[in-house]
Amino acid sequence: GENVEQHPSTLSVQEGDSAVIKCTYSDSASNYFPWYKQELGKRPQLIIDIRSNVGEKKDQRIAVTLNKTAKHFSLHITETQPEDSAVYFCAAVPRGSTLGRLYFGRGTQLTVWP
Amino acid sequence: EAQVTQNPRYLITVTGKKLTVTCSQNMNHEYMSWYRQDPGLGLRQIYYSMNVEVTDKGDVPEGYKVSRKEKRNFPLILESPSPNQTSLYFCASSFVGADSYNEQFFGPGTRLTVL
Repeated sequence: GENVEQHPSTLSVQEGDSAVIKCTYSDSASNYFPWYKQELGKRPQLIIDIRSNVGEKKDQRIAVTLNKTAKHFSLHITETQPEDSAVYFCAAVPRGSTLGRLYFGRGTQLTVWP
Repeated sequence: EAQVTQNPRYLITVTGKKLTVTCSQNMNHEYMSWYRQDPGLGLRQIYYSMNVEVTDKGDVPEGYKVSRKEKRNFPLILESPSPNQTSLYFCASSFVGADSYNEQFFGPGTRLTVL
């Protein structure tokens, strides 16, 4: 099956700085890459996603980039705020796999210091 | 309100005592799934279901059972819990597209401790 690696496992930044989380995947047939945010004590929630026919997608302060050749994708958060502090999970869905079958990375604990 | 609910939210039990964690969604989603979350290991899928009476194993199915008799419910059964099943459990659901992926909605989580 698909294997998703996520780095770093922890990330601390000063408020206002940018944060970047990187993921690699093993299955070249993967074609959908969502990112979930999990605040302390809460459930994971989708914040942004990208499909394999797109190289970059932005939504206000967050963006995701995809490099299919290198099989990696990244989450970029600009102008970080304390409320961005959370665990972030990347995931991949291989084309042809059971629809909905997510393969998650191990997560990145992001801490934004005021 | 569209939501995924889980019960109980917290449970402390002893080794070998059968338990069931319920999951219900009111969004008419075909796909439902169970994950366990452990520190440093992320979210690992236990079982999933594409529709009523259709279930399949995820990455860590040992020690768990599921059933999908109704579209809205997907209970997780631990017939003989062991301490290594102490974890935070999430149920999730989504629509199933013909050739596309849809957002998974997670329940609030169930924190299980097996003594």
